[in-house]
Amino acid sequence: TQLLEQSPQFLSIQEGENLTVYCNSSSVFSSLQWYRQEPGEGPVLLVTVVTGGEVKKLKRLTFQFGDARKDSSLHITAAQPGDTGLYLCAGAGRAGKSTFGDGTTLTVKP
Amino acid sequence: KAGVTQTPRYLIKTRGQQVTLSCSPISGHRSVSWYQQTPGQGLQFLFEYFSETQRNKGNFPGRFSGRQFSNSRSEMNVSTLELGDSALYLCASSFNQQVNSPLHFGNGTRLTVT
Repeated sequence: TQLLEQSPQFLSIQEGENLTVYCNSSSVFSSLQWYRQEPGEGPVLLVTVVTGGEVKKLKRLTFQFGDARKDSSLHITAAQPGDTGLYLCAGAGRAGKSTFGDGTTLTVKP
Repeated sequence: KAGVTQTPRYLIKTRGQQVTLSCSPISGHRSVSWYQQTPGQGLQFLFEYFSETQRNKGNFPGRFSGRQFSNSRSEMNVSTLELGDSALYLCASSFNQQVNSPLHFGNGTRLTVT
């Protein structure tokens, strides 16, 4: 069974601060995706990383896939209240089945 | 393009009853997967359908079943409901079965079992 562990589980910061959340596994994934879920809604895809060592930037969000494709990180610069939500990583395993981490709940206070 | 639609949004059922949840994928998407989301367990994979065939199944009891129709719409059924089945049930569609194919989620059905 491929498991993904996310840390921290909860994070509460002030607007303007930087933060990093992590997604780790002992398994190798062919690709990894990050989703953000807001209350009352389903998760929305932020990015897919495929190549070991890959770095992708989405405005103030920077995603990195580990060299060994076992871990990933999400860094947010100058967090804003609109960044509040549940951040989920998902590893692509066998066809049609993604394994999700338990998520990091981020609260950004104005 | 309309997103993934799940109905109903909320359901309250009693232990022992059964329930059917519906999911309409994005037009052109042939893969539909279902997930159970609870505060303690995160997103747990239930099953995935592609072209009316179940391709993958998670570790859930046989009380959980599903099907997909020729128009790619999918239904999920839970029989003999238990209190622990209370959760947010999410449906996601994707264009194909490739592992990198992004999942497009609906807003879920919130099931409460009393």
